[in-house]
Amino acid sequence: AQKVTQAQTEISVVEKEDVTLDCVYETRDTTYYLFWYKQPPSGELVFLIRRNSFDEQNEISGRYSWNFQKSTSSFNFTITASQVVDSAVYFCALRPIQGAQKLVFGQGTRLTINP
Amino acid sequence: ETGVTQTPRHLVMGMTNKKSLKCEQHLGHNAMYWYKQSAKKPLELMFVYNFKEQTENNSVPSRFSPECPNSSHLFLHLHTLQPEDSALYLCASSQDRGISGNTIYFGEGSWLTVV
Repeated sequence: AQKVTQAQTEISVVEKEDVTLDCVYETRDTTYYLFWYKQPPSGELVFLIRRNSFDEQNEISGRYSWNFQKSTSSFNFTITASQVVDSAVYFCALRPIQGAQKLVFGQGTRLTINP
Repeated sequence: ETGVTQTPRHLVMGMTNKKSLKCEQHLGHNAMYWYKQSAKKPLELMFVYNFKEQTENNSVPSRFSPECPNSSHLFLHLHTLQPEDSALYLCASSQDRGISGNTIYFGEGSWLTVV
């Protein structure tokens, strides 16, 4: 069985603070993809990043960075110098590279950036 | 501009009505999906289509009837729904070929209210 856990239901910070969103996953697949999506109030799920299970190199994209630790089954997301436009619900997700096309989502973390 | 477009964005329907949600993807993908997002529940996969063929039905009630006339279009026909079916319905697509291109891209969603 596959499972994704985002323990933080809601996070609220003041603008320009750094914030980390946690994601822990469970899977028996040896190869899989991990994703982060952003969902603003409009509803669309915006793709942010995809990581392969065999590539543990961390990634940085502007103010966003991702820390993939296979040993602890975690894929955390950090926003540096947060901005009000970062306010959204963020979802971590998992799917096997081969086999089922099902994307398993975590419960989501609602992030509020206050001015 | 999103590569996956959904219409209508908002729909209010009575329990005896018949309506349809439409999805079109402009990404040249071969797989399309319907997901349901209810308040306080994780995102749920409903249906998967590959090259117009349904490959997964996640125990969805028959009052939801999908249709995929081609790889670019996906419909969700709605009939005699219940108030608890009120949710955000998200369409998505992906290019599944070997181990490449397994990112799933989502549309903006259709907000459905059943009265």
